[in-house]
Amino acid sequence: NAGVTQTPKFQVLKTGQSMTLQCAQDMNHNSMYWYRQDPGMGLRLIYYSASEGTTDKGEVPNGYNVSRLNKREFSLRLESAAPSQTSVYFCASSEAVPGDFDTISSGNQPQHFGDGTRLSIL
Amino acid sequence: DAKTTQPPSMDCAEGRAANLPCNHSTISGNEYVYWYRQIHSQGPQYIIHGLKNNETNEMASLIITEDRKSSTLILPHATLRDTAVYYCIVRDNFNKFYFGSGTKLNVKP
Repeated sequence: NAGVTQTPKFQVLKTGQSMTLQCAQDMNHNSMYWYRQDPGMGLRLIYYSASEGTTDKGEVPNGYNVSRLNKREFSLRLESAAPSQTSVYFCASSEAVPGDFDTISSGNQPQHFGDGTRLSIL
Repeated sequence: DAKTTQPPSMDCAEGRAANLPCNHSTISGNEYVYWYRQIHSQGPQYIIHGLKNNETNEMASLIITEDRKSSTLILPHATLRDTAVYYCIVRDNFNKFYFGSGTKLNVKP
C-alpha cells in the first residue's frame, strides 16, 4: 500500500533556482495538502486543494504555486528559491471535502501524510 | 481558529500508560479533535480522532471532557517505539489542520 508518495526525498538548490515537488496518492482521496515544517516546529499549511481543479491558500503561501493535475497528483512549485524556504515539505490527502462536514461518511476523515521532501537552499 | 495547548515534553516508563493532555478551550461544536505523532521527522502518523464521545482503537484511547475544552490521549502500555512528538489538532471548517509544537514523549526503559 503506497498511500501518499513524495518525490524527491532530498534536494539541494541554489538561491534563485526553480523546482517542483511532486505528490501522488492512490487512495482516491478528494482533498490534498502541502505543508512545511521548520526545525522544532509543527507543520504549517502552504496550499490545499479541495478537489480536482481547485486550489486555495493556507497559512504561508507566499513564494509557492501549486497545481492539482488530476485527482491523484498535487504538485508544489518554487519559482525562485530562497534560503528561507529551506524546510521539510509534507504532502497529505484526505477523503474529506473541505466544507462538507455534515456528511457523516467522509466529513471527519483524517489526513494521511507522505514521508516528506527535505529541501535545502543555499 | 481553534488552537490547542500541550506541554512541551513528558516522560513515561516503558510498559506504563502514557497520558498526554491537550487543551482546546475555543473549540466549536462541530470541530473534531485529532491526534497524530511524528517519529524522527517522518511524516505525521494518524492515531485517533473524536468529537465528544470517548474513542478507542488498536493504538490508543481518546478521552474528551464533557465540555470538550480538553482531551487526553492514552497509550495503554508505552514502548520505546512510542517515543515521538505527539500533536493534538483541531480541524477548522475547511479541513485545515493547525499544528502546534506538540508534546515530545520520552519513553524510558
